[in-house]
Amino acid sequence: DAGVIQSPRHEVTEMGQEVTLRCKPISGHDYLFWYRQTMMRGLELLIYFNNNVPIDDSGMPEDRFSAKMPNASFSTLKIQPSEPRDSAVYFCASTLSSTGELFFGEGSRLTVL
Amino acid sequence: SQQGEEDPQALSIQEGENATMNCSYKTSINNLQWYRQNSGRGLVHLILIRSNEREKHSGRLRVTLDTSKKSSSLLITASRAADTASYFCATRGGTGANNLFFGTGTRLTVIP
Repeated sequence: DAGVIQSPRHEVTEMGQEVTLRCKPISGHDYLFWYRQTMMRGLELLIYFNNNVPIDDSGMPEDRFSAKMPNASFSTLKIQPSEPRDSAVYFCASTLSSTGELFFGEGSRLTVL
Repeated sequence: SQQGEEDPQALSIQEGENATMNCSYKTSINNLQWYRQNSGRGLVHLILIRSNEREKHSGRLRVTLDTSKKSSSLLITASRAADTASYFCATRGGTGANNLFFGTGTRLTVIP
């Protein structure tokens, strides 16, 4: 298996622009997580899905953030409009069981100017 | 917050020495996991210890868990330069909780 695939790996955009980050989980995994990593706040859980259904989005910072999982093999995290403080590395992770290890993608490094 | 805290924040040792990292957390847990992150990469799972276990081994890794103190330690024996990375503990809550909360991480540097 290719593992969790995220795109783009790097994104540089200007404040106010819409940003869409994409994730393809490992085939067969039924949980998908979105995390954000910054030096100041470490790894923050933004939202997670089970069987394509959002279960907990309490970590989503503002209404500017939205996440979808239209099918078992694809998820998006959208920021609209983007702000400089959204600059971070965004990770997607998936897992097969509710108690097992997470498999992370390589992350999407977002820079908002 | 359930987020754990690792101690120390940074650790520098010579190759061949042992490295010990500690993690403290705040709430009851189902299990505790340790992850490694190389610079610019995603996190990689190392080992999982359940709340009813006290110690677990995997290769050069040894993990302990003390639920009464809400703490865990990760020991890497006979360290190698390739072990240089950041190490994170992550806790999963009790029954019904599927969120995994990560600590602040320990930056380990192994000097060849």
